[in-house]
Amino acid sequence: QSVLTQPPSVSEAPRQRVTISCSGSSSNIGNNAVNWYQQLPGKAPKLLIYYDDLLPSGVSDRFSGSKSGTSASLAISGLQSEDEADYYCAAWDDRLNVVVFGGGTKLTVL
Amino acid sequence: QITLKESGPTLVKPTQTLTLTCTFSGFSLSTSGVGVGWIRQPPGKALEWLALIYWNDDKRYSPSLKSRLTITKDTSKNQVVLTMTNMDPVDTATYYCAHLHIAAALDYWGQGTLVTVSS
Repeated sequence: QSVLTQPPSVSEAPRQRVTISCSGSSSNIGNNAVNWYQQLPGKAPKLLIYYDDLLPSGVSDRFSGSKSGTSASLAISGLQSEDEADYYCAAWDDRLNVVVFGGGTKLTVL
Repeated sequence: QITLKESGPTLVKPTQTLTLTCTFSGFSLSTSGVGVGWIRQPPGKALEWLALIYWNDDKRYSPSLKSRLTITKDTSKNQVVLTMTNMDPVDTATYYCAHLHIAAALDYWGQGTLVTVSS
């Protein structure tokens, strides 16, 4: 069981907007930055959002992140078929002294 | 251009020790603030953090695996080595190494190496 909680799956139609939630606690999300990763089938994860809401160079601005208290969200607008992937949230955990991941959310573009 | 690549055996027997090497370029592990982490992913399952080593040799381990893991670095060779003892079939996974950016974000990943534990 993962320390951070994500929905196992979400789905939405092309060109629509979808959000993926990530719930944690005061020792991780509540006190540290949240990072999001996209993992395309058969590929290594890719950093999508860091420090809660910052986009690495080259990442589309259709992706955005937000955080409130001990929860965070990833939003993807203008959905495209190429966005079908697994998405993971992660954060440093002060109690465990390691990075903790969510269980991942599989996005299906209908 | 930062790149990382994992290397090691693809098949190990139960109870054996796994040794994986992460060879990187484009950064130095002697530079303040730099870190390299190891993460694994069993087939069809989620990512799992394993270990992290910083430029100053500070090391962090997954609490559940701490007794089995050792992470070291060789700055002159641009390599980070992870050893995991007493391997079990449940340790079958793709093992990744990654460069640590600010806020514990992993901004560059290796391609991963699949390790199968089987007799």
